Amino acid sequence: DSGVTQTPKHLITATGQRVTLRCSPRSGDLSVYWYQQSLDQGLQFLIQYYNGEERAKGNILERFSAQQFPDLHSELNLSSLELGDSALYFCASSLLQGGNEKLFFGSGTQLSVL
Amino acid sequence: DQQVKQNSPSLSVQEGRISILNCDYTNSMFDYFLWYKKYPAEGPTFLISISSIKDKNEDGRFTVFLNKSAKHLSLHIVPSQPGDSAVYFCAAKKSSGDKLTFGTGTRLAVRP
Repeated sequence: DSGVTQTPKHLITATGQRVTLRCSPRSGDLSVYWYQQSLDQGLQFLIQYYNGEERAKGNILERFSAQQFPDLHSELNLSSLELGDSALYFCASSLLQGGNEKLFFGSGTQLSVL
Repeated sequence: DQQVKQNSPSLSVQEGRISILNCDYTNSMFDYFLWYKKYPAEGPTFLISISSIKDKNEDGRFTVFLNKSAKHLSLHIVPSQPGDSAVYFCAAKKSSGDKLTFGTGTRLAVRP
């Protein structure tokens, strides 16, 4: 158990809908990262937050947004969903930003857009 | 632009033999490298890492080798065990940055 909690584990929805994925980082970790894993793809970095502030952005679509709350949990909002958004979404956390920190991953949310 | 590449999608090895997983990178700014292991229905878990100031790091049955001039790293598992069957991701980062850039993964199957 990595200590990172993601909910829900599975989500099935229709095109055009909006969903929210939730992540609770390990106790004490200040950084939260979101990654997307599509079929046969590696983990694609979406966005990082550190202590409530956005720190880095990757290949995140404009239809997607995220935030980190004062209690350090994070939410990833996906709107106007398309079939191609079907993927496994991982959240990861680390204590610090920068340096040689390793990330601890949650077990992911499997999103299926029908 | 895939900055971290794992060109072998899969590898099958006999139990007790050596497993060698390879990874290439293109960004010369990367100076910290990690391997993650992923079982089905679980998130990736950290396995071993290496800084660019080293060329080898060992942890039990797992050894990572780094060849900076070739921009290549490899993970050796000796001896391989059936429980090592998983998808292995290579990842890289700049120490001054935060995000990890991952490869596409290699699925290792260790045959009993």
